Amino acid sequence: QVQLQESGPGLVEPSETLSLTCTVSGGSVSSPNTYWGWIRQPPGQGLQWIATIYHTGGTYYNPSLKSRVTISIDASENHFSLRLRSVTAADTAVYHCARLPDWPRAHFDYWGQGALVTVSS
Amino acid sequence: QSVLTQPPSVSAAPGQKVTISCSGSVSNIGDTYVFWYQQLPGTVPKLLIYDDDKRPSGIPERFSASKSGTSATLGITGLQTGDEADYYCGTWDSGLSAVVFGGGTKVTVL
Repeated sequence: QVQLQESGPGLVEPSETLSLTCTVSGGSVSSPNTYWGWIRQPPGQGLQWIATIYHTGGTYYNPSLKSRVTISIDASENHFSLRLRSVTAADTAVYHCARLPDWPRAHFDYWGQGALVTVSS
Repeated sequence: QSVLTQPPSVSAAPGQKVTISCSGSVSNIGDTYVFWYQQLPGTVPKLLIYDDDKRPSGIPERFSASKSGTSATLGITGLQTGDEADYYCGTWDSGLSAVVFGGGTKVTVL
């Protein structure tokens, strides 16, 4: 059973960089035909896809966030990460990492529990 | 404003049926598969339907889905109090080159 766990600071100051890591257990981030991604959900709002990555380095970004986002993967640590630069209060959300068994699709079959990140001074 | 349009809420009595619509366009629903997610209060979204109408292992047959043209529909029969949740449709939009979701529909069991 694949499990994902987000980790990172729960509070980020405006204009700073949000950094989160998703550690995968019960599976490998290097598995063939398996992608990994980030989705966020502002409090009381809906889902927004942020980015997706494949272990060979292919990256895919939401055009609305692309200028501020970097997704990366570390096969040796079996985790992948998210960096969101120049954050504002609008970036306050629960950030979920997830597994995608295929791409490009909205197919997220395993999710992390989510990490609430608040942007505030 | 979401790329995919869902009604904000639907409701029905226990045992009844509800349907949730998800309206899109030729560049998303009309072009590729639709997925549905259930988010129970305070929990993580859960994959409910994949590839338009397929249920993952463990999802009851009470949940079904279909697609026609640029719209998709999720149906829940034999409504139970445990079905109270937010439901989201999602798909790939080839025009935006992005995964897009509907705004979500809250199901209330009366």
